[in-house]
Parts: sequence; structure tokens; C-alpha cells
Amino acid sequence: QKEVEQNSGPLSVPEGAIASLNCTYSDRGSQSFFWYRQYSGKSPELIMSIYSNGDKEDGRFTAQLNKASQYVSLLIRDSQPSDSATYLCAVTHTGGFKTIFGAGTRLFVKA
Amino acid sequence: NAGVTQTPKFQVLKTGQSMTLQCAQDMNHNSMYWYRQDPGMGLRLIYYSASEGTTDKGEVPNGYNVSRLNKREFSLRLESAAPSQTSVYFCASSESSATDTQYFGPGTRLTVL
Repeated sequence: QKEVEQNSGPLSVPEGAIASLNCTYSDRGSQSFFWYRQYSGKSPELIMSIYSNGDKEDGRFTAQLNKASQYVSLLIRDSQPSDSATYLCAVTHTGGFKTIFGAGTRLFVKA
Repeated sequence: NAGVTQTPKFQVLKTGQSMTLQCAQDMNHNSMYWYRQDPGMGLRLIYYSASEGTTDKGEVPNGYNVSRLNKREFSLRLESAAPSQTSVYFCASSESSATDTQYFGPGTRLTVL
């Protein structure tokens, strides 16, 4: 079992719709959770970080964390073609220096 | 403010050759990391340095060595390259630990023939 699992996609949504990206993790001791966006041929860049249960909103992005279910999600509202990228879920384990990345979900936003 | 820089951007090696990937950050971060990214496998941690003068193994350290030269620079060395080391290598840094945001360099695309 992979430590951080994501649906590889591709996830295709029309422009203006809500894109929902999901991630599960196996280590109950995980303490920090991140969503990175990676455009093709580029390096990852942080979209959202979340550390406690519940929702965290930043503009069109909302991260949701449920530690009991070991589940973290990212919602993108009013999706734009420029949101088309691979989204990486990342989880930092207890101890604070080893981050495990999921394989990523490819998102396509159709104009 | 360049952030995290990496050299070279591209490299082709023959099996058995050695090389060093260079990484530098100008954000005064304490922690630095080396990852490799392979298709369908996401990013995997090779080595990290929690602070100047310390280095530790990550998930896939075999075949690599690292040096934290000073607070700014963290290099990755392949002593005897193998085709299995063909990958894209990313260096990253964070303020104090991996519970902080990690900032990534542009990557090095390495091919080992």
C-alpha cells in the first residue's frame, strides 16, 4: 500500500466548474499536509498547506483535512484553463523532515 | 532574490560516470532536500539536511551522496551512474523543517545511458 495515494486522473472539468481532488494517507502520525501544483516540465509550487482538521480557504482554493479518515482534499472553484496541471498531495511525517508525495492527479480544465 | 537555483539543467552521462548536482538557496533557509521524480511515482526524497553540518538519508539514498557545504549550498553526487538513476532531480529548501513550505528549484533532467 502506497503511503500517500491519489487518483492519477486525468480529471477533466469544464471552465467555471468545481474541481475536486482527493488524497488518502496511511501514517496516522502525519502532522502537515500540502497541495502543490506542477505544470508540465516545471517544478512544484505550493497551493495550500493545512495542519488541523477542517477547511482552509484561500481565494478559489479550499483544502479539507479529516485526520480520523486519513483524508485530505483540494477544491478549486471557478476552474480556469490555467489551472490545468498536475496536483501533488504531500504529507510530512512525525519528526518533521521526511515528506511523502503522492503520484499526482492530472487536471484538465476545458475552455 | 533567485530562490532556489540548480545546475546543470540537463545532463547526459554514460553508465559508470560520476557527476555532482549543485543547489543553492538565497532565502536563509535552514533545511534543504534532494528529490527525484519519475513518471507515475511522484517525488521521492533522496537525502535531506536539517541544518548546516547535518545530512540524513531519505526514502531512496542508495547510489547517492550529499554535502551541505554551507547554509546556502547542498550538493548531490552520483559516484557511478546507473541507468536506473535516469530521472528529474529537484532540490528544495524550507525555513526550519518539512512542516514548513518547501520551495523547489527548477530541476535537473539527468539521462544515464
